[in-house]
Amino acid sequence: QKEVEQNSGPLSVPEGAIASLNCTYSDRGSQSFFWYRQYSGKSPELIMSIYSNGDKEDGRFTAQLNKASQYVSLLIRDSQPSDSATYLCAVKSGNQFYFGTGTSLTVIP
Amino acid sequence: DVKVTQSSRYLVKRTGEKVFLECVQDMDHENMFWYRQDPGLGLRLIYFSYDVKMKEKGDIPEGYSVSREKKERFSLILESASTNQTSMYLCASSLVGAGYNEQFFGPGTRLTVL
Repeated sequence: QKEVEQNSGPLSVPEGAIASLNCTYSDRGSQSFFWYRQYSGKSPELIMSIYSNGDKEDGRFTAQLNKASQYVSLLIRDSQPSDSATYLCAVKSGNQFYFGTGTSLTVIP
Repeated sequence: DVKVTQSSRYLVKRTGEKVFLECVQDMDHENMFWYRQDPGLGLRLIYFSYDVKMKEKGDIPEGYSVSREKKERFSLILESASTNQTSMYLCASSLVGAGYNEQFFGPGTRLTVL
């Protein structure tokens, strides 16, 4: 069974702070890694993808990947109340995607 | 922009009814997926399809079947709905291949079985 683990939270940060979300995965053969944001009652929305070791930045979001440690993280800088959501880590192996159970983030104004 | 649509946002059915959930994508994606999402359990894969008329069981296929007669359409069928199938159902699609192809989700169908 290929596993993706996330801290369920909830994680609370004040507005303007950095939110750090973490994810580990069990399958060393995984090729691609994704972060989805899911608002309550809505479907997951892709916000970041990363394929090689290191950092990838997109606006206020930075994804970090360390394949040796089987670890992927998401940093949200200058957190806003609109970032309050559940963040899902997804790992692709072959044609299939494996999801963590998500981390709930609350940004406090 | 990838567009994945699902036939209903909310659905209420009675125990024993046959239920059809439809999903359509407009980006010529080969792969299509059906998940259910329940609090505390995350996303669980029911079935996926990598080509027309092809299907593979996911982690929880019992009580479900699927149909893919056209590339853009993937249907989930609950043969005889039961209360434990009350859930959020999410359809997704992606390009085929072991590479860097993201998965895109439809808006979801919240199904209640009474």
